[in-house]
Amino acid sequence: GAVVSQHPSRVICKSGTSVKIECRSLDFQATTMFWYRQFPKQSLMLMATSNEGSKATYEQGVEKDKFLINHASLTLSTLTVTSAHPEDSSFYICSARPLEAYNEQFFGPGTRLTVL
Amino acid sequence: DAKTTQPPSMDCAEGRAANLPCNHSTISGNEYVYWYRQIHSQGPQYIIHGLKNNETNEMASLIITEDRKSSTLILPHATLRDTAVYYCIAYSGGGADGLTFGKGTHLIIQP
Repeated sequence: GAVVSQHPSRVICKSGTSVKIECRSLDFQATTMFWYRQFPKQSLMLMATSNEGSKATYEQGVEKDKFLINHASLTLSTLTVTSAHPEDSSFYICSARPLEAYNEQFFGPGTRLTVL
Repeated sequence: DAKTTQPPSMDCAEGRAANLPCNHSTISGNEYVYWYRQIHSQGPQYIIHGLKNNETNEMASLIITEDRKSSTLILPHATLRDTAVYYCIAYSGGGADGLTFGKGTHLIIQP
């Protein structure tokens, strides 16, 4: 149990385009999902907290107008990277907190974004 | 959440026990100690967590000192597939909080 999926697993796009990444909790419901970013040889950095039915909370230094987050249901959150630039190339990872397991977070497999 | 300190890298022979230390001297009473690992180019995988008592599951054991200022993750019989970056995180478990990842320990299992 407690499986989180992400789609796509990797994506290559041109500079200036937008890319949508989906995060799904497959066998549990999650009111809260988190989005992280990981640059090569660095650790994961929290970008934003996504709550079902409300606006996301962004960490300091993360542009909310560039990284649009939608959490429309208890099993799906999406991250849209708008007007992507090469410096947005990174590994994007989501995690989900089950309704009934307050202290736990389960991570997706990540999405590798490359912006040309 | 309290900061944690881990050695940047460790080696361990295949089949032996891997003992990964973590210092969390400023941990507060309501913070748990969590361990995750990340195999290259994958999402982090939950291993184990504890508050005060030692914990064991099918993957590992977690030993927390009585003063809770440090802990050790033990992989009892390391295999090559255990090669990964291991993260020790102090986390209060609040629903609104994401996890703060440090640099972790890169554990390399040698054949």
